[in-house]
Amino acid sequence: KNEVEQSPQNLTAQEGEFITINCSYSVGISALHWLQQHPGGGIVSLFMLSSGKKKHGRLIATINIQEKHSSLHITASHPRDSAVYICAVYSIKAAGNKLTFGGGTRVLVKP
Amino acid sequence: EAGVTQFPSHSVIEKGQTVTLRCDPISGHDNLYWYRRVMGKEIKFLLHFVKESKQDESGMPNNRFLAERTGGTYSTLKVQPAELEDSGVYFCASSQTAPWRQGEYTGELFFGEGSRLTVL
Repeated sequence: KNEVEQSPQNLTAQEGEFITINCSYSVGISALHWLQQHPGGGIVSLFMLSSGKKKHGRLIATINIQEKHSSLHITASHPRDSAVYICAVYSIKAAGNKLTFGGGTRVLVKP
Repeated sequence: EAGVTQFPSHSVIEKGQTVTLRCDPISGHDNLYWYRRVMGKEIKFLLHFVKESKQDESGMPNNRFLAERTGGTYSTLKVQPAELEDSGVYFCASSQTAPWRQGEYTGELFFGEGSRLTVL
């Protein structure tokens, strides 16, 4: 079982819908990254969280350290949000600079 | 400013051949990381350079993989001989400082677009 689990694996939404992607992890962490990869593109860091909530445009990321859970929300989704969203953690037990990744959530937003 | 660049973007080779992947980090970034995603699996850490030194190579799968970073600038990842299970996307990332230092987040991580390796 992977130390970082994401759900759902795939998600299809209509333009304008609210999207939530979940990430659960089983290890103690220093921080958590939400990453985005567009088809055929590179990986972009969206957020780095160690507590609370962060917002950037239509994206909101939250983390609950006690429950070992994070969510990424996309409000008013748009077809350009179609991408793979990846959760990755800096595990305390691992060397401090080594990320452990979830399997990703493939999001398709239809116009 | 140029981002992290990787070359080639796609390489198709036969089992038993050798392939060398290259990563040019953002200028001035001492920290360079290699990651890999094989088909259907999550991305996994391979190794971490600080300048020219290997800080952590615990993720390297076996001795068919050799990473170098001579002079502390660009890095190469050589697979020799390549096997079918080496197929996947190899990502490079760089940061100016190690992302975590003394318990504080100090450096943003930048990824390249990846090099897709297909071994036939």
